[in-house]
Amino acid sequence: DVQLVESGGGLVQPGGSLRLSCAASGFTFSSYSMDWVRQAPGKGLEWISYISSSGSTIDYADSVKGRFTISRDNAQNSLYLQLNSLRAEDTAVYYCARDKNPTVLDYWGQGTLVTVSS
Amino acid sequence: DIVMTQSPDSLAVSLGERATINCKSSQSVLHSSNNKNYLAWYQQKPGQPPKLLIYWASTRESGVPDRFSGSGSGTDFTLTISSLQAEDVAVYYCQEYYSTPRITFGGGTKVEIK
Repeated sequence: DVQLVESGGGLVQPGGSLRLSCAASGFTFSSYSMDWVRQAPGKGLEWISYISSSGSTIDYADSVKGRFTISRDNAQNSLYLQLNSLRAEDTAVYYCARDKNPTVLDYWGQGTLVTVSS
Repeated sequence: DIVMTQSPDSLAVSLGERATINCKSSQSVLHSSNNKNYLAWYQQKPGQPPKLLIYWASTRESGVPDRFSGSGSGTDFTLTISSLQAEDVAVYYCQEYYSTPRITFGGGTKVEIK
């Protein structure tokens, strides 16, 4: 079975950093593009980043560009999101999702909560 | 950027009755190269991640019950639940992928039992 398990969330002060991880299993990770999507408490879904299967193509939403960095390690079946210069409005559950090219997200993790507060 | 607008924000439907959710895009998501609509629908139950229901506007994902159907083309789309079941209580989101890999979600429609 396809499994995506996020980790790394937590409470961080404004301006701080976190690194989120997503461990993938049950499929050939290196064959799929991956995405990060977030959901603020009680709000809708916001796409924030994409990485192609090889890592050669990357894109970000304007709201996080220059602050967040997506990466992957195909040998470790892992996806990452480095969050820097965090703001209160970045508070959300962050989901990793498998990309059924073109960008239709067919499997999602359970999410990891990031809370930015002093 | 493409803006996706869903209506209504919420609806209450009796068990066994039809539920209809609308999604409108600010520009056409029909790609002339393949004549496909780059539109997907997701279901999110409380405390759970979203689940893919439909893509290419009308193709059901494997395992999705056939009471769920998608229709529409260009800028106007509809998700229909033909006979609402208790387990269908959820928030439903449309999503365009015309601008892939950048994607945009609608604001969501909450479906409840009347």
